[in-house]
Amino acid sequence: ETGVTQSPTHLIKTRGQQVTLRCSSQSGHNTVSWYQQALGQGPQFIFQYYREEENGRGNFPPRFSGLQFPNYSSELNVNALELDDSALYLCASSGGGGLAGHEQYFGPGTRLTVT
Amino acid sequence: GEDVEQSLFLSVREGDSSVINCTYTDSSSTYLYWYKQEPGAGLQLLTYIFSNMDMKQDQRLTVLLNKKDKHLSLRIADTQTGDSAIYFCAENPTGGSYIPTFGRGTSLIVHP
Repeated sequence: ETGVTQSPTHLIKTRGQQVTLRCSSQSGHNTVSWYQQALGQGPQFIFQYYREEENGRGNFPPRFSGLQFPNYSSELNVNALELDDSALYLCASSGGGGLAGHEQYFGPGTRLTVT
Repeated sequence: GEDVEQSLFLSVREGDSSVINCTYTDSSSTYLYWYKQEPGAGLQLLTYIFSNMDMKQDQRLTVLLNKKDKHLSLRIADTQTGDSAIYFCAENPTGGSYIPTFGRGTSLIVHP
């Protein structure tokens, strides 16, 4: 069974640029959630995708957008990058069916630095 | 204020028990979780407890839930240096979306 993978592991971008982060969900999972974790903070929920549809969104501006593909992998896109976007971006997959659907399994994250 | 609150640091000696505490605000939370994050890594789901339970034990881990006080704790028996990490408490409000709210994390430091 393959776990959650994310790419790239590290990324440096300049303010105003755009970035795309990628996530492959765990085998059998149909739900992907994205989180932003600033230094010294807990993960903050960005949005969740279930079977290619957005299924919930946190308090993030529209320049944060996402996609989920038929194989349940996902992308997080951030436009017009700001310095405060520097953080660890975490992807979590869930939804193996039944009562286990609430368990989220996280990838290793993408460290984004905006200069 | 934050929905989930934790103390920021805990220091213990190897072999002792560690107790990490958490308070949450949403009384309708169905699941409460403990996650572990090692440096430079993602979050690892350690254990969770359903809201109709008071206690759950899983090997060295014991979770206690006091719904009246909205207090959750994680006890790690025989703490090892490999347990040094940040531990996050999270609540999952009632509903089908399963979107947990995380605390800021407690940094556990285990001294040899």
